[in-house]
Amino acid sequence: QVQLVESGGGVVQPGGSLRLSCVASGLTFSTYGMHWVRQAPGKGLEWVAFIRHDETFKYYADSVKGRFTISRDNSKNTLYLQMNSLRTEDTAVYYCAKDLVRYFDHWGQGTLVTVSS
Amino acid sequence: DIVMTQSPDSLAVSLGERATINCKSSQSVLHSSNNKNYLAWYQQRPGQPPKLLFYWASSRESGVPDRFSGSGSGTDFTLTISSLQAEDVAVYYCQQYYTTPLTFGGGTKVEIK
Repeated sequence: QVQLVESGGGVVQPGGSLRLSCVASGLTFSTYGMHWVRQAPGKGLEWVAFIRHDETFKYYADSVKGRFTISRDNSKNTLYLQMNSLRTEDTAVYYCAKDLVRYFDHWGQGTLVTVSS
Repeated sequence: DIVMTQSPDSLAVSLGERATINCKSSQSVLHSSNNKNYLAWYQQRPGQPPKLLFYWASSRESGVPDRFSGSGSGTDFTLTISSLQAEDVAVYYCQQYYTTPLTFGGGTKVEIK
């Protein structure tokens, strides 16, 4: 069965950087697009970024454009999110999710990012 | 951006009774090329990640109990739980995938009365 396991969350100061990882198993990772979706504490879901299976296409929410970079290593079945210039409003649980025509059919358990001084 | 508006924000339903959640999009998510509604529903139980329930507005994901149903077209959609069970306590979200940015409704919290 499909498993997505995120890591890399933690506490970081405003203006700092963090890189999240998501290791996938139980699927042919290189054939699927992948997303990052976040959820601020006690709030709803916010889509963050998408990457096509072959990295030829990426797109971002306006709220993170220019600060976050999505990437992947298909040889390692791993998805990444490089987060720079972090703000307090980026505090959230970050989920990786498998794409199926731009909806999400599998989700990881999430990793918490806290941006605080 | 397509804005997704859910109603109500929360509802309390007795066990075995019907729960109805509404989702309205600010523009149509019905694609004329294939006559499909680009609308998904998710369930998020406390402390858990979201789980896909429906895609194409009414196509039930494998393993989802048939007491759940999805309906609607264009801009107005409904998720119905025909007979609420204790394990259905959760927050439910709709999501449009008609265009980017992909957007979610604000969520509807379902509780037991």
